[in-house]
Amino acid sequence: DSGVTQTPKHLITATGQRVTLRCSPRSGDLSVYWYQQSLDQGLQFLIQYYNGEERAKGNILERFSAQQFPDLHSELNLSSLELGDSALYFCASSPVGQATGELFFGEGSRLTVL
Amino acid sequence: GENVEQHPSTLSVQEGDSAVIKCTYSDSASNYFPWYKQELGKGPQLIIDIRSNVGEKKDQRIAVTLNKTAKHFSLHITETQPEDSAVYFCAASIRAGANNLFFGTGTRLTVIP
Repeated sequence: DSGVTQTPKHLITATGQRVTLRCSPRSGDLSVYWYQQSLDQGLQFLIQYYNGEERAKGNILERFSAQQFPDLHSELNLSSLELGDSALYFCASSPVGQATGELFFGEGSRLTVL
Repeated sequence: GENVEQHPSTLSVQEGDSAVIKCTYSDSASNYFPWYKQELGKGPQLIIDIRSNVGEKKDQRIAVTLNKTAKHFSLHITETQPEDSAVYFCAASIRAGANNLFFGTGTRLTVIP
């Protein structure tokens, strides 16, 4: 158990809809990262937050947004969903301001868009 | 940006044999190279990492080698066991702690008992 909690584990929705994925980082970790894992694809970095503020952006679509709350949990919002958004979305956390080398991943939220 | 290529995409070995997974990277500024293992239904977990000032690092049955000149690094698993079956990801970054960690596309390793 990495200590990172993601909900929901599975989500099925229709095209055009909006969903929110939630992540609780390890106790004390200030940084939260979101990754997307599509079929046969590696892990694509989406966005990072540190202590409530956006720190870095990767390949995140404009239809997606995220935030980190004062209690350090984070949410990833996906809107106007398309079939291609079906993927496994991982949250990871790391201690201090930036990763000391290791990212601790949650078990992921599997999104299926029909 | 950095481009990490990983081969093979699938690998099957007999229990007890060795497994080797290779990665190449494009950015010569990269100097931190972790390997993550992802078991079925779980998130990736760091198993070993290497920094550019080291050519090889070992941890029990797992070793990683780095060739900075050729820009490639490899994961070696010896005496494989069924519990080694998983998807393995290599990654590269300009430094440990950087948020721009670039992952390879993964290798599905199957260890046949």
